[in-house]
Amino acid sequence: QVQLVQSGAEVKKPGASVKVSCKASGYTLSNYFMHWVRQAPGQGLEWMGIISPSGTSTSYAQNFQGRVTVTRDTSTSTVYMELSSLRSEDTAVYYCARRGVTAPGLEYWGQGTLVTVSS
Amino acid sequence: EIVLTQSPGTLSLSPGERATLSCRASQSVSSSHLAWYQQKPGQAPRLLMYEVSSRATGIPDRFSGSGSGADFTLTISRLEPEDFAVYYCHQYDSSPPYNFGQGTKLEIK
Repeated sequence: QVQLVQSGAEVKKPGASVKVSCKASGYTLSNYFMHWVRQAPGQGLEWMGIISPSGTSTSYAQNFQGRVTVTRDTSTSTVYMELSSLRSEDTAVYYCARRGVTAPGLEYWGQGTLVTVSS
Repeated sequence: EIVLTQSPGTLSLSPGERATLSCRASQSVSSSHLAWYQQKPGQAPRLLMYEVSSRATGIPDRFSGSGSGADFTLTISRLEPEDFAVYYCHQYDSSPPYNFGQGTKLEIK
């Protein structure tokens, strides 16, 4: 079955970078787009970006342009989201998510990774 | 960029009642590329509906979606205790960004 397993919680200082991983199993990574979505404490869902099945194309929300990079490693079936120049407002749970086989909505989600930015 | 606005922000209803949640887009969402999600505290979102009105796997038929163009509705015909949660609409139109609405909290009255 499809599983997305993310890396553990992180605590970072302002100005630092964080790299969150999302290990996919139960399917071939190069067959689907992967999305990244974040959720600040008590807030709604915020779409961050996407990487294409081939890994050659990415697109990011304007709010994160220049600070976020999504990459993937097909040898380990892992997608990475790196966010730089962290500030306190980046404290959030970060999710990777994939569409369903027949359902184009985001059917499969990772468990989420809490990133805390604090001095 | 398509911006989604959900209303109301909070909806207070009792079990057994009917819930109607609205999602309005800043421009037409082509090809009905709109989904709804349910999220409970401490959990990842769960896909409820896709392509406006198609139920995801395992979603009970008391959930239904409707709408077209820029106006969409999620209806829960008879609320069960487990339906009280936050609901988000999401557009995955032809090109990114694939924004979410800000959410509607469905709470027990």
